[in-house]
Parts: sequence; structure tokens; C-alpha cells
Amino acid sequence: DAGVIQSPRHEVTEMGQEVTLRCKPISGHNSLFWYRQTMMRGLELLIYFNNNVPIDDSGMPEDRFSAKMPNASFSTLKIQPSEPRDSAVYFCASSLAAGARSDTQYFGPGTRLTVL
Amino acid sequence: SQKIEQNSEALNIQEGKTATLTCNYTNYSPAYLQWYRQDPGRGPVFLLLIRENEKEKRKERLKVTFDTTLKQSLFHITASQPADSATYLCALPDRGSTLGRLYFGRGTQLTVWP
Repeated sequence: DAGVIQSPRHEVTEMGQEVTLRCKPISGHNSLFWYRQTMMRGLELLIYFNNNVPIDDSGMPEDRFSAKMPNASFSTLKIQPSEPRDSAVYFCASSLAAGARSDTQYFGPGTRLTVL
Repeated sequence: SQKIEQNSEALNIQEGKTATLTCNYTNYSPAYLQWYRQDPGRGPVFLLLIRENEKEKRKERLKVTFDTTLKQSLFHITASQPADSATYLCALPDRGSTLGRLYFGRGTQLTVWP
């Protein structure tokens, strides 16, 4: 398996523009997580899905952020409109959450977002 | 939720020495605890898992301990090498959840110098 795939790897945009980040989880995994990482705040969970259903979006900072998972192999995180403070590395991770008490998460390479 | 503290943001040691990283949690005792490694420009990578009924776990030069009384896990790298330089994060599961959610610490940046 190719692992978790994220695109784009780097994104530079101007304030006010819409940004869409994409993620393809590992095949067979049923939980998907979106994180944001900054030096100031570390790794923050934004939202996670189980079987394509959003379970907890309490980490989404504002209404400007939205996420979807239309099927088991694809998820998007959208920021509209983007602001400079959204600049960070965004990670997608997936896991096989089967209640096995050992839910290892597999992370993608991340998308480095810069909002000018 | 769970509050996690990892010792000092940065740890610098000489090659060949043992690095010891600390992870403390303050709320409920988790069913297990995980350690991840993160290299610059990359996502975290799983290293080890230790369960609540295990005192110690080893994998090559890595050793993890788990003390539920102290609410603490220690992560040791013996005979450290410059290639071990990275940020190490501990992670704990959400209480009672079977959906895979983890709480991550801020991480400790380890630098091993020759």
C-alpha cells in the first residue's frame, strides 16, 4: 500500500482565497483524522470521521473550515476564506479503528499551507 | 479529554548515551500508550505501543515503560546515534472510544551529537 496520500504538498495562497486540501486514506481503514501542526500549538485534531461519518468536529477553529468524506477513499478539508493565521502544516491520518485497543494512526506527508 | 505533558521541548545528548524522554498524563488512565517519531517535513510515524497491564516493552534499542500509578511513561533510546535525532511524541487514546481517536503530546525534540 502507498500509505496515506495528501495533496498538494505545498500550497501558497493569498488571504481571502479558498483552499482545498485532499487526502486518500489507507485502503481498509475506517477512521480518518485531520490535524493541524504549528510550533505554537503542536498537533491539533481538527475533525475525525468513522465510516465516512463526521464524529467530532469540535477542533475546527471556525466556520471558515469545513471537511467532507464522500466515500471511504477520499476526504477534503476546505478553508474559505483563508487567513494568514491558517498558515500551518495540515496532516491527514487514518487508522483501522476496530476496537482492538491498539489504534495506530498512519500519517500522510502533510500539506504545508502558507497564506500571504 | 486528556492532558499530556512531555518533558522539556528539547533534549541534547552525546552519541552512545541513553536518551530518556518523559510523558505524563493527568486525567484517566488509558488502556494503552503509544510513541511516535516525527522527522522534519514529515508526518509522525508509529514506534511502539504499551498496554496498561505491561510494565515494559522493548524493540531493538528502544524501551518504553508505563507506570499507571505515577501516570507516566518513559521512552528510552540506548546507544543513541545521530540518526535518532527527531521529535518524539506520546499519544493516548480517548477514554472508552473504539473509533481510534488519540491525544498527542507536544513532543520532545531530541538531538544526538557525535
